[in-house]
Amino acid sequence: VQLQQSGPGLVKPSQTLSLTCSVSGDSVSSNSVAWNWIRQSPSRGLEWLGRTFYRSKWYNDYAVSVKGRITINPDTSKNQFSLQLNSVTPEDTAVYYCAREADYDSSGYYSPGLFDPWGLGTLVTVSS
Amino acid sequence: DIVMTQTPLSSPVTLGQPASISCRSSQSLVHSDGNTYLSWLQQRPGQPPRLLIYKISNRFSGVPDRFSGSGAGTDFTLKISRVETEDVGVYYCMQATQFRTFGQGTKLEIK
Repeated sequence: VQLQQSGPGLVKPSQTLSLTCSVSGDSVSSNSVAWNWIRQSPSRGLEWLGRTFYRSKWYNDYAVSVKGRITINPDTSKNQFSLQLNSVTPEDTAVYYCAREADYDSSGYYSPGLFDPWGLGTLVTVSS
Repeated sequence: DIVMTQTPLSSPVTLGQPASISCRSSQSLVHSDGNTYLSWLQQRPGQPPRLLIYKISNRFSGVPDRFSGSGAGTDFTLKISRVETEDVGVYYCMQATQFRTFGQGTKLEIK
């Protein structure tokens, strides 16, 4: 499985940050995988932002810190998922990662926290 | 939110010697299903994080057996039996019992 990130590296304050993660080697519609966005900054460290996953229908979970500003959407036609973060400020400057999280380990045991692989990361700077 | 606190924040270690990193959660990580979902990740300079350990003590595919995890409830430990040059980086614990949160990281460096 490989994850390829794309999107702009510079966003103006108050605008919307948009990133896409293209998936190869797996399906975003898999019913035993979740697709996550995580960011990393010197001030906040690693911060989980949210995820989308399919279990007969689509679900989303979002971190409290960004709830109300964040949308994570799957695009099954392109086998990718996206991150939108609205009303950004310089505090949102970070390296953004996408990551796959499998529900089950290789032995078939339910194992949340199996984050692998990760995208290479996209540095997004919020500045005018 | 569950807060994850790691100690130490920096750990200088001699090559070939053991290293230990602690992680404490602000509340029990025992899930309603009885399992504890605590992972450890390694981040080498310039790379994304890499999964080492999941469910407290299970090594992920390809992880050397010098890495081991232990703990229960709110207190967890990552141990490296004999530190090698390639182990330099920052180590994070992450809980997956209630959403996902990371520790602040422990920087492992060679003395």
